[in-house]
Amino acid sequence: EIVLTQSPATLSLSPGERATLSCRASQSVSSYLAWYQQKPGQAPRLLIYDASNRATGIPARFSGSGSGTDFTLTISSLEPEDFAVYYCQQRTNWPPIFTFGPGTKVDIK
Amino acid sequence: EVQLVESGGGLVQPGGSLRVSCVASGFTFSSYWMSWVRQAPGKGLEWVANIKQDGTEKYYVDSVKGRFTISRDNAKNSLYLQMNSLRAEDTAVFYCGRVVGANYFDYWGQGTLVTVSS
Repeated sequence: EIVLTQSPATLSLSPGERATLSCRASQSVSSYLAWYQQKPGQAPRLLIYDASNRATGIPARFSGSGSGTDFTLTISSLEPEDFAVYYCQQRTNWPPIFTFGPGTKVDIK
Repeated sequence: EVQLVESGGGLVQPGGSLRVSCVASGFTFSSYWMSWVRQAPGKGLEWVANIKQDGTEKYYVDSVKGRFTISRDNAKNSLYLQMNSLRAEDTAVFYCGRVVGANYFDYWGQGTLVTVSS
């Protein structure tokens, strides 16, 4: 079973600042990693897939990088609507089961 | 427009059963793997189960194996999760999700709350 670890648990920043979120896998997931944003009372939203591809409609300030076991989600300049919880997610090759990281909360400093 | 709408949540006693449903629209339902993902109050996301396009393959997280059954009716564009022997720790919002590229969830419903309590 692949375990995803996210750090930090909470990131306190101001609007306009750069946010750097980390996701580490217990074994290589190649580039098969996604990032989601979730706001209170809402369903998650896909931001990044295959480690670095932005999903449809996602602003360019969101970028993803990494491969193997270490991945990063970067928000270049935080907008007020970006304060939320962010989860990484991967799927094992076989059987096709999915796991999520525990999440990083980005809150307003 | 892709839409996923869950229903069927509610309050159930420990040991009881419940079936939640998800109706899909705006895409060819029969062409996609589908999944259920849950979120306990104040907690993170947990994948529960997924099902292949034709329903011939199903996979579950260990904690629900033998108790939950995922199914689909492509003629009705519907996804189901039958939950038996429910426990307090199953209390969560249950989301249905469309699986894209076999790896990720690109559309989610709004969720339905299942509360297991006496």
